[in-house]
Amino acid sequence: DAGVTQSPTHLIKTRGQQVTLRCSPKSGHDTVSWYQQALGQGPQFIFQYYEEEERQRGNFPDRFSGHQFPNYSSELNVNALLLGDSALYLCASRWASGDTQYFGPGTRLTVL
Amino acid sequence: AQTVTQSQPEMSVQEAETVTLSCTYDTSESDYYLFWYKQPPSRQMILVIRQEAYKQQNATENRFSVNFQKAAKSFSLKISDSQLGDAAMYFCVIREGSQGNLIFGKGTKLSVKP
Repeated sequence: DAGVTQSPTHLIKTRGQQVTLRCSPKSGHDTVSWYQQALGQGPQFIFQYYEEEERQRGNFPDRFSGHQFPNYSSELNVNALLLGDSALYLCASRWASGDTQYFGPGTRLTVL
Repeated sequence: AQTVTQSQPEMSVQEAETVTLSCTYDTSESDYYLFWYKQPPSRQMILVIRQEAYKQQNATENRFSVNFQKAAKSFSLKISDSQLGDAAMYFCVIREGSQGNLIFGKGTKLSVKP
């Protein structure tokens, strides 16, 4: 049973560029959430997708957007990158009726 | 708004000994869930243990157990017979209801000495 997978593992971008991160949920899971984890901090909730719609959103600007596909996989897009966007981006999945989220290994984004 | 406070940035324990990690939280909801997640250097966030607020009995998972004090809004994690593989960052996490998102504390870095 494959767990949550994310790609790429690492990414380096420059300020002003755009980036897309990808997530495949654990088999059978239909709800995907994205978190940003700055160095030395706990993860912060960005948004959650269910049935291809954004259901909840944390305190992040509109530069952060996402998408969920019919196969439940998801993308996180960040436009106009800032130095402060450098972080580990974590994807988590669960069943819609479940109460435990399972995390992927994350994508390390560095903005220069 | 929910908040989670972990007052111990770092802890150390001798192999085979017992250690307790502290956590306090604040929420106005009556229906919520509490979790401890572990994040080793590999970065993979792993669920250690979970507790439903409506359950009075403390959760236990093998060497891991919690002391859930609902009135005091305290949720500590006890690790018994510590092993080298327990070394990691431990996060205390709260979620309101079954659909809410996760709110993380700042974490406690646990070192295990051989």
